[in-house]
Amino acid sequence: KAGVTQTPRYLIKTRGQQVTLSCSPISGHRSVSWYQQTPGQGLQFLFEYFSETQRNKGNFPGRFSGRQFSNSRSEMNVSTLELGDSALYLCASSLGTDTGELFFGEGSRLTVL
Amino acid sequence: GDSVTQMEGPVTLSEEAFLTINCTYTATGYPSLFWYVQYPGEGLQLLLKATKADDKGSNKGFEATYRKETTSFHLEKGSVQVSDSAVYFCARNAGGTSYGKLTFGQGTILTVHP
Repeated sequence: KAGVTQTPRYLIKTRGQQVTLSCSPISGHRSVSWYQQTPGQGLQFLFEYFSETQRNKGNFPGRFSGRQFSNSRSEMNVSTLELGDSALYLCASSLGTDTGELFFGEGSRLTVL
Repeated sequence: GDSVTQMEGPVTLSEEAFLTINCTYTATGYPSLFWYVQYPGEGLQLLLKATKADDKGSNKGFEATYRKETTSFHLEKGSVQVSDSAVYFCARNAGGTSYGKLTFGQGTILTVHP
């Protein structure tokens, strides 16, 4: 069974640009959650999508957005990048219907210069 | 709001030593509690979980008991191995149907020496 796949794994952007990250969940999983991991703030919840609808949202500015497609694949977008957006962005998938395990991808490491 | 507090790290132990990593959580709602582990260069993996008070989660020799009276979920292992070196995260969910939303502690770096 294939795991959660995130692309790209590494990317470098400059301030003011935008970026789109992709996440392919485990087959059959309908929930995709996104997290930001930084040395200073740790792991912080961005948002969760379930069956193409945003079900939960964390405390991030509107520059951070996401969507989910009918095949459960998800993308997140960050517009007008700031230096502080440099982080490891982790995607996690699950069935989304119980307190089951979240399966995490290896992450997309974004560096903003 | 929801929060999780872990003991400060890093923790350095010799092989076969006893491990305890403390974790406390805010007592809002009826959360499920989790320990996740992150090995170098990898994503997080679920280590164990407990969904209600007095439940004990266990896996790979690690154990943690959901203590409602002390709002704690401490991780323990009787004899650590070098391969246990990783970052350990305690987490709670938001309760209700917020299954994908976890609040994590700051993480504890564990290094085990031979």
